[in-house]
Amino acid sequence: QQQVKQSPQSLIVQKGGIPIINCAYENTAFDYFPWYQQFPGKGPALLIAIRPDVSEKKEGRFTISFNKSAKQFSLHIMDSQPGDSATYFCAASIHSGSARQLTFGSGTQLTVLP
Amino acid sequence: DSGVTQTPKHLITATGQRVTLRCSPRSGDLSVYWYQQSLDQGLQFLIQYYNGEERAKGNILERFSAQQFPDLHSELNLSSLELGDSALYFCASSVSGSYNEQFFGPGTRLTVL
Repeated sequence: QQQVKQSPQSLIVQKGGIPIINCAYENTAFDYFPWYQQFPGKGPALLIAIRPDVSEKKEGRFTISFNKSAKQFSLHIMDSQPGDSATYFCAASIHSGSARQLTFGSGTQLTVLP
Repeated sequence: DSGVTQTPKHLITATGQRVTLRCSPRSGDLSVYWYQQSLDQGLQFLIQYYNGEERAKGNILERFSAQQFPDLHSELNLSSLELGDSALYFCASSVSGSYNEQFFGPGTRLTVL
């Protein structure tokens, strides 16, 4: 129930394309859904996040779409650039007592070709 | 730069040995989290500390332990190391134990030979 399933494992798009990364979860107690971006040799960095009471959130070229009934959420990258090439992780967070835990998806390696 | 620092950057050791990884959280952050990232297991939550106290435990082996000191830096101790412990170990910090946003450090790459 704590799993977050992410797909695809890897994705290659041309510059300007719109890569879409999908995640699904089972535990309805999750109440915060962040996306992290990780470049080689670096730690994950928060990209954008959404709460389940909102169906869409946009920040710059990055958009999260959230479907609460289907327990799915996805990341769309508009007008993708070679600099967006990185590994993207979805995550789901649960508040447990005085602690908050992040459960990560398995990651998607995105390559944007020039 | 997230403001979270981790040392060392790389660590190479042998099976059966013990190592200590160190993390300094962002200024003002009271909560520290440890994660293990490996190719086959992805990013796995290990343990969380808040202001010196353990708050949550994830998939942490009994051979591993952590603590958070009064100056809020944290150490992750890995003992009786096995080949399978080779991974990237990340520390993250947040303002409070229940705050959403976690800031990750650059990681320590551990290689067990």
